[in-house]
Amino acid sequence: DIQMTQSPSTLSASVGDRVTITCRASQSVSVWLGWYQQKPGKAPKVLIYKASNLETGVPSRFSGSGSGTELTLTINNLQPDDFATYYCQQYKSYPYTFGQGTKLEIK
Amino acid sequence: QVQLQESGPGLVKPSGTLALTCSVSGDSINTYYWSWIRQPPGKQLEWIGEIHFTGNTNSNPSLQSRVTISVDTSKNQFSLNLNSVTAADTAVYYCAGRLTTRAFDFWGQGTMVTVSS
Repeated sequence: DIQMTQSPSTLSASVGDRVTITCRASQSVSVWLGWYQQKPGKAPKVLIYKASNLETGVPSRFSGSGSGTELTLTINNLQPDDFATYYCQQYKSYPYTFGQGTKLEIK
Repeated sequence: QVQLQESGPGLVKPSGTLALTCSVSGDSINTYYWSWIRQPPGKQLEWIGEIHFTGNTNSNPSLQSRVTISVDTSKNQFSLNLNSVTAADTAVYYCAGRLTTRAFDFWGQGTMVTVSS
């Protein structure tokens, strides 16, 4: 199995900040990675697919980059609605695996 | 817009079988790959398995011996059976769909399943 490790586990930031979440894979996932946002009691919502492609309808302040074993999600100009938990997920090979999550909190 | 809706019992007895169905609306079930994903309370997401309309399936080896995923194209539904459940299988269960090169675009709202006597 490909293990996905996110850092940090918790991130405190303010409205207007720029934040970066990193996802490290135990082996290369190439670009086959998605990023999701999850709010309490809700299903995850996809933000980014294939490492750097913005899902339709997702604000352009979200961006993804990287390939191989280190990929990142960047959120520019944080908005109040962005405070949530973020997960990465690889779909390079079965079994698909998720990171442990990064909780983005208001400072 | 594709919409998914999980259905099934919210309480299952230990050693019993967890059976859930996901109903797909807004598009044909023949277009996508369909997965089951679960999330124990306060924990991370775990992929359970995936099925294509052709019937081709892949499951998480950690659960493989207990998991059956099937598809009913006539009803635009797919299903999950997880047998020999224990308290460790208590979780919110989501159904989700994706196209070949994309991440999970579509998610059901999730259904909480508790394993308890």
